[in-house]
Amino acid sequence: GESVGLHLPTLSVQEGDNSIINCAYSNSASDYFIWYKQESGKGPQFIIDIRSNMDKRQGQRVTVLLNKTVKHLSLQIAATQPGDSAVYFCAENSGGSNYKLTFGKGTLLTVNP
Amino acid sequence: KAGVTQTPRYLIKTRGQQVTLSCSPISGHRSVSWYQQTPGQGLQFLFEYFSETQRNKGNFPGRFSGRQFSNSRSEMNVSTLELGDSALYLCASSPGRVTEAFFGQGTRLTVV
Repeated sequence: GESVGLHLPTLSVQEGDNSIINCAYSNSASDYFIWYKQESGKGPQFIIDIRSNMDKRQGQRVTVLLNKTVKHLSLQIAATQPGDSAVYFCAENSGGSNYKLTFGKGTLLTVNP
Repeated sequence: KAGVTQTPRYLIKTRGQQVTLSCSPISGHRSVSWYQQTPGQGLQFLFEYFSETQRNKGNFPGRFSGRQFSNSRSEMNVSTLELGDSALYLCASSPGRVTEAFFGQGTRLTVV
């Protein structure tokens, strides 16, 4: 079946450290993946995406890695800041050209000053 | 450029009632998706509309329905509300291709 799971429900890091949030997906046909950040009381905020024909993509302070062999996705945040504290979700498009995002349960990232 | 706008932000309804939620996508975006977010189930896909047609539907009962208008604005309706329908309902818009989907702030529905 379709599922996207996160290995760690919570992650606590010190300000300035790098953070790595992991995600496993089960649908090998998924062709597109997105990481979202959600702060309390707000909707999910787009962070970065990656297509299945890539294995790495970099943004500002963030990098997403995709390993299709083991169906694993990770989000790396460099020099983590207190403002990065939030719940992070990975999502996969399992609907092909008919957009349908399947979300993981989320990881709570806490950045300690 | 304005973001995704959802109205109302908060709603309190009684069991058995029905409710209609509204979503205005980003200008130029033709795809609108709806999601339900609860602490227990996380974010779950409800349905997706593109050019007034429902292209995809999640595993929700028929009490959940939606529609999209010619200006891409979308509404979702929940009839015969149950306590378990209490959730944050999120709308996301995208240009229509499989690309970035941007979310609104959501509508917090409480069923009492």
